[in-house]
Amino acid sequence: NAGVMQNPRHLVRRRGQEARLRCSPMKGHSHVYWYRQLPEEGLKFMVYLQKENIIDESGMPKERFSAEFPKEGPSILRIQQVVRGDSAAYFCASSFQTGEAFFGQGTRLTVV
Amino acid sequence: QQPVQSPQAVILREGEDAVINCSSSKALYSVHWYRQKHGEAPVFLMILLKGGEQKGHEKISASFNEKKQQSSLYLTASQLSYSGTYFCGLKEGAQKLVFGQGTRLTINP
Repeated sequence: NAGVMQNPRHLVRRRGQEARLRCSPMKGHSHVYWYRQLPEEGLKFMVYLQKENIIDESGMPKERFSAEFPKEGPSILRIQQVVRGDSAAYFCASSFQTGEAFFGQGTRLTVV
Repeated sequence: QQPVQSPQAVILREGEDAVINCSSSKALYSVHWYRQKHGEAPVFLMILLKGGEQKGHEKISASFNEKKQQSSLYLTASQLSYSGTYFCGLKEGAQKLVFGQGTRLTINP
């Protein structure tokens, strides 16, 4: 039973390019969270999704960032026109509606 | 609302005990505890639901005080492997899971 899978593990983008981060939840999980983490800092909530529905996106920047969780396929966190300040580790976690959430290994985004 | 963790950092010798607190300004529904080692993903430790419950996981246990709106994580006879940053997360029913700022635990031999 595979855990939460994120890819790519490492992503390098030049300023102005787009970054797409993928998250496949654990089997049977219908909810996904995305978090951003800077070195030596905490897990900052970004967005909470259910299949085909955004439940809470209060932590998402208003511009350049978007997230989706389609009926089929992984959840995608998309960052358009990346800037150096977007460099961070992005973690997703999946769960049932309530109950424990399990994290993926994260995507380390570096903007050069 | 973001939970507040205390202390921010703890340094122990192997075999000593530690308590990490997690406080909320709102009524607690469920508290989730995680440990993260440097460069790795957070690992789930335990979840507590409202009702004053206490849970255990090896020598790590936690309590949930609904009245005080606080949860505490207890690490007894700490081992080197317990080192890492501990995060508590709060979730209200079907709402988002929000984490505290973390408590860095260092265990020295």
